[in-house]
Amino acid sequence: AQRVTQPEKLLSVFKGAPVELKCNYSYSGSPELFWYVQYSRQRLQLLLRHISRESIKGFTADLNKGETSFHLKKPFAQEEDSAMYYCALRAGSNYKLTFGKGTLLTVNP
Amino acid sequence: NAGVMQNPRHLVRRRGQEARLRCSPMKGHSHVYWYRQLPEEGLKFMVYLQKENIIDESGMPKERFSAEFPKEGPSILRIQQVVRGDSAAYFCASSPDMRNTIYFGEGSWLTVV
Repeated sequence: AQRVTQPEKLLSVFKGAPVELKCNYSYSGSPELFWYVQYSRQRLQLLLRHISRESIKGFTADLNKGETSFHLKKPFAQEEDSAMYYCALRAGSNYKLTFGKGTLLTVNP
Repeated sequence: NAGVMQNPRHLVRRRGQEARLRCSPMKGHSHVYWYRQLPEEGLKFMVYLQKENIIDESGMPKERFSAEFPKEGPSILRIQQVVRGDSAAYFCASSPDMRNTIYFGEGSWLTVV
């Protein structure tokens, strides 16, 4: 069975500071990893998927198979980045997403 | 494209009543998924439907919960005889096929009093 762990429930940084939201996973095969963001009770929006290796809103995430991690990073946080961030895994050919419990990021002015 | 539309956004029900949550997938999407988010928890898969078919309902509670996605109209998640433990956010998502990106709606918050 697969599992996604986001060890930080809350993360608070100041504007302009670097931010890293941690995500670790357990899955024996080749996973597909995603980051979703939810701004104040709005829809979950796909932020990143590891296979596309793109940068959205300045965020990047690299899949580290050795450490089974997919941490989300941004060098300079902005106040509008304040939101709930969810890491999710899709296993092999399965359609189900397994989510972590989320990290609430607050960027202070 | 209006995105995945869910209604109602907020629903309050007394214990024992029925709750019906509706989901209209994105245009061109025939695959619908329902996820539930309990307080302090991540989203958990409930059910996966294609038009008129339930493909996987392994995450659905065995009793009181049902889902459908008729040929015409939205997908419906139905909870009969609600209890306080059903209070949660219910998210619908859709995709054009099972391997493509999944897009979520804004969720329906059910409160059972």
